[in-house]
Amino acid sequence: AQKVTQAQTEISVVEKEDVTLDCVYETRDTTYYLFWYKQPPSGELVFLIRRNSFDEQNEISGRYSWNFQKSTSSFNFTITASQVVDSAVYFCALRLPNAGNNRKLIWGLGTSLAVNP
Amino acid sequence: ETGVTQTPRHLVMGMTNKKSLKCEQHLGHNAMYWYKQSAKKPLELMFVYNFKEQTENNSVPSRFSPECPNSSHLFLHLHTLQPEDSALYLCASSQDERGATDTQYFGPGTRLTVL
Repeated sequence: AQKVTQAQTEISVVEKEDVTLDCVYETRDTTYYLFWYKQPPSGELVFLIRRNSFDEQNEISGRYSWNFQKSTSSFNFTITASQVVDSAVYFCALRLPNAGNNRKLIWGLGTSLAVNP
Repeated sequence: ETGVTQTPRHLVMGMTNKKSLKCEQHLGHNAMYWYKQSAKKPLELMFVYNFKEQTENNSVPSRFSPECPNSSHLFLHLHTLQPEDSALYLCASSQDERGATDTQYFGPGTRLTVL
């Protein structure tokens, strides 16, 4: 069965701290895509990154970085020097493009991040 | 307008009312989605339309009725809802839900309260 686990329900940090959000996934498919979305209080889910299963290179975008490790089935997200505007719920998701009628996104429950001034 | 828009942003309705949620995408996409987001639950996919054809109905009660007149517009018609239907309803669009690298982009959601 396919599953995404975000074990951290809530995280609270002080501004300028680094914070890592964990995501662990389960699938037997060899081809899959992993996603991170951000949901600020306004409600809109904002797409952050898509990573395919054949590309294990870590990615950095400004203060955001992602660590993909197939050996541990993890796709962790780190925010460096966090800011108050980073406060949001962050979702990790898995998609199996070759799964026929089961191509839908499989979502984690999300991690609520509070960055305090 | 850019991206995915949803109206209204907030809706309060009684159980006997009939209302509709509207979603419009300005991204040139061909697939549109309705999701329900309730507290402490994973996002629930409700309906998918790809090139105006419904490709997914995730066992949604008939009191929710989707309509997709074209690839840019998606509606969710609501009637005789229950209080447990209160949630954030999110619309999303993507290029083609069959595509390997297909990525969904979301609207701001409609916060629905059923009294």
